[in-house]
Amino acid sequence: AQTVTQSQPEMSVQEAETVTLSCTYDTSESDYYLFWYKQPPSRQMILVIRQEAYKQQNATENRFSVNFQKAAKSFSLKISDSQLGDAAMYFCAYVGTSGSRLTFGEGTQLTVNP
Amino acid sequence: SQTIHQWPATLVQPVGSPLSLECTVEGTSNPNLYWYRQAAGRGLQLLFYSVGIGQISSEVPQNLSASRPQDRQFILSSKKLLLSDSGFYLCAWSVRSRDQPQHFGDGTRLSIL
Repeated sequence: AQTVTQSQPEMSVQEAETVTLSCTYDTSESDYYLFWYKQPPSRQMILVIRQEAYKQQNATENRFSVNFQKAAKSFSLKISDSQLGDAAMYFCAYVGTSGSRLTFGEGTQLTVNP
Repeated sequence: SQTIHQWPATLVQPVGSPLSLECTVEGTSNPNLYWYRQAAGRGLQLLFYSVGIGQISSEVPQNLSASRPQDRQFILSSKKLLLSDSGFYLCAWSVRSRDQPQHFGDGTRLSIL
């Protein structure tokens, strides 16, 4: 079974600085997709970024980018120019060939300090 | 555009009472539908998912059940709630393509007394 591990329960960053959230996963599949979701205090789950495993190029969405290392099974999220509104719980998630099931990590609580 | 509605937003129920949480999706057809539970400060646990009307897959044995009476309606139920059923319940939908993300409702905060 696939597992997703987020080893940082909590992280903090100063406003306008850069922070990287870690995620590793375990799978025997070669074709899969990875996602980062953000859950602010309102508890809505918001998609931040998506990465296809067969693409070597790292995905980027404005201030959010990933460092995808397929051989190392690592999928970290970098947030540049951090803003107060980035404060949230961040979840890494994996979907494999089953296509129907997302496996989530336990999350990283990000605090942004003014 | 597609929207997902989940209600109620908050629910307080006594132990042993029944439960019915409803989720509906608009603006799409034949979605995959999901129910998750989230304990405070923790990740999401998949409870049920459905790829079609009447097709329910259960991920975790428990006293909860799910039904999909219509294409875009997903219901989470229990005949007798336990204290351990407290939590935050999220409904989600996705198109039937695994490269597409899941889209979540606003959630239901369930407290069992």
